[in-house]
Amino acid sequence: AQKITQTQPGMFVQEKEAVTLDCTYDTSDQSYGLFWYKQPSSGEMIFLIYQGSYDEQNATEGRYSLNFQKARKSANLVISASQLGDSAMYFCAMREAQRYGQNFVFGPGTRLSVLP
Amino acid sequence: ETGVTQSPTHLIKTRGQQVTLRCSSQSGHNTVSWYQQALGQGPQFIFQYYREEENGRGNFPPRFSGLQFPNYSSELNVNALELDDSALYLCASILRGTEVQETQYFGPGTRLLVL
Repeated sequence: AQKITQTQPGMFVQEKEAVTLDCTYDTSDQSYGLFWYKQPSSGEMIFLIYQGSYDEQNATEGRYSLNFQKARKSANLVISASQLGDSAMYFCAMREAQRYGQNFVFGPGTRLSVLP
Repeated sequence: ETGVTQSPTHLIKTRGQQVTLRCSSQSGHNTVSWYQQALGQGPQFIFQYYREEENGRGNFPPRFSGLQFPNYSSELNVNALELDDSALYLCASILRGTEVQETQYFGPGTRLLVL
């Protein structure tokens, strides 16, 4: 079974609008962390935001926020006021406490295109 | 800037050859992980090193091997290259690698093409 599912291979959004990128995950661990990374065409993975499984509040980092629904095992990324520079691949990733040494599991990614 | 560097940026090899990719982690980060990212896919975990010892490995054959050095640098070695090894190889450094909330910081990657 896929540990991380991102069902949107590609998304389009108009500049200055908000967009939600979906991520669902599968784990039996009680302690885990969820991460979102941005990957521009240059290839480097840029850390955006983190949500811990025990965090009661949704994480926010500037224009990025994470809509964490633990019971549904979803951790959707919301980008507000999209900018042209937001066009990139976006990856959801999970780290489970039980799997020390196995590190991060990444989803297949969503390609976001911001239209002027 | 993450403080993680990789070399070379691009590399072309032929099938059957051997390749060494290099990474320099953030100072003070004791853990380094290597990932393979095929075109159009998410990164796949190859292995992780903590204080110069391998302490985790993904589903990759033994011809993928690594080294970590005391100066926060590391290497990924791939023997007997196959066409399917063509990918972007990413290294990531992390402070310890023992806590779920620790963030990995990635380098810019090395693009390997096997002909």
